[in-house]
Amino acid sequence: TQLLEQSPQFLSIQEGENLTVYCNSSSVFSSLQWYRQEPGEGPVLLVTVVTGGEVKKLKRLTFQFGDARKDSSLHITAAQPGDTGLYLCAGARNTGKLIFGQGTTLQVKP
Amino acid sequence: EAQVTQNPRYLITVTGKKLTVTCSQNMNHEYMSWYRQDPGLGLRQIYYSMNVEVTDKGDVPEGYKVSRKEKRNFPLILESPSPNQTSLYFCASSFWPGHEEQYFGPGTRLTVT
Repeated sequence: TQLLEQSPQFLSIQEGENLTVYCNSSSVFSSLQWYRQEPGEGPVLLVTVVTGGEVKKLKRLTFQFGDARKDSSLHITAAQPGDTGLYLCAGARNTGKLIFGQGTTLQVKP
Repeated sequence: EAQVTQNPRYLITVTGKKLTVTCSQNMNHEYMSWYRQDPGLGLRQIYYSMNVEVTDKGDVPEGYKVSRKEKRNFPLILESPSPNQTSLYFCASSFWPGHEEQYFGPGTRLTVT
């Protein structure tokens, strides 16, 4: 059972376009993290959001945690080819269990 | 250098032959975890450990065993591997799951024929 639905699963856009990736659940998480994974490597943390309604910015990336702490979004402004990769969201329970979304494969064409 | 190491990186084996994938971290992290990654399914947690001698099931524990006898090591054991366990496996560690950065190993690609 996938408790964290991530969409879209695939996204192919031109350089300079904006995009948003969504991560939705019916469950509440104590925190939510976004990771990026390159082929052949392990995921690398981009950001952690903890408070409902929290917004964090990392250069051209904006992350938002829903007010109810059940959903999150990642918005990329003016995407560049270097943004190409697999983006994963992960929700944490207080028990230590971590649940990942299916991932979004992003391709940014020059 | 702070890192999570896994061995082996690649393994091809046959059904039923017991195997162990080792995982070690040098960051003194309390939390360690094993995941498998399959196309279209993202990362699924197999087992996790909050500290030495404390392990819990993740979402897909069937067919796997783990142990945490030392803080730095968290081996994954497949007592009787089957073809449906063919996957890419990642070990990870952190100080506190979900709130601190989780560091991932380089991955182990396992094929069971």
